[in-house]
Amino acid sequence: DAKTTQPNSMESNEEEPVHLPCNHSTISGTDYIHWYRQLPSQGPEYVIHGLTSNVNNRMASLAIAEDRKSSTLILHRATLRDAAVYYCILLTTTFSGSARQLTFGSGTQLTVLP
Amino acid sequence: NAGVMQNPRHLVRRRGQEARLRCSPMKGHSHVYWYRQLPEEGLKFMVYLQKENIIDESGMPKERFSAEFPKEGPSILRIQQVVRGDSAAYFCASSPEVAGESEQYFGPGTRLTVT
Repeated sequence: DAKTTQPNSMESNEEEPVHLPCNHSTISGTDYIHWYRQLPSQGPEYVIHGLTSNVNNRMASLAIAEDRKSSTLILHRATLRDAAVYYCILLTTTFSGSARQLTFGSGTQLTVLP
Repeated sequence: NAGVMQNPRHLVRRRGQEARLRCSPMKGHSHVYWYRQLPEEGLKFMVYLQKENIIDESGMPKERFSAEFPKEGPSILRIQQVVRGDSAAYFCASSPEVAGESEQYFGPGTRLTVT
């Protein structure tokens, strides 16, 4: 799977928007962009994913650059419960259609300040 | 709909003993993945299974580790003759269909401590 690059850490104030960037300059046409987060002492939690178009769900928004070489996860109003490590992962469905494992990098540690 | 269940949540084993970790996927999910997270490190893929089949075990250590997902019952990750380096959090995830378009749902993990 293609590699992603994320800042090691970011800070945000509570109730303000947070923009978490991810660079994936070697992305291929069949790579989906997935975001997961891991709260302390918990298993990873799915946040959002997309292919080409921007995506919104109840947790966040995903903005994908037109050339798909970067994306941004947007938390519209950060809360203390959003403090976690956020992982940007590219996932390719194989030719045979079989599922693929997630390859976690080091992610971005988000700190939310009260 | 219950989430992915893992048990036990905490497991302590002495060196040389066997560890058995169980994972019950979400209802209707036929894909199971195991990941390991060593202290202060990121998650690493171990093995991907469907019912009665190992699809990809490229992340499994060559010795002492095995996994199964029988027709009935939970998926089992088995570690024989545990060593201190096996101490880690082991997470199981499941998905309903082909990944790429579908997300994986993770369990709370089993924290294995080898003394």
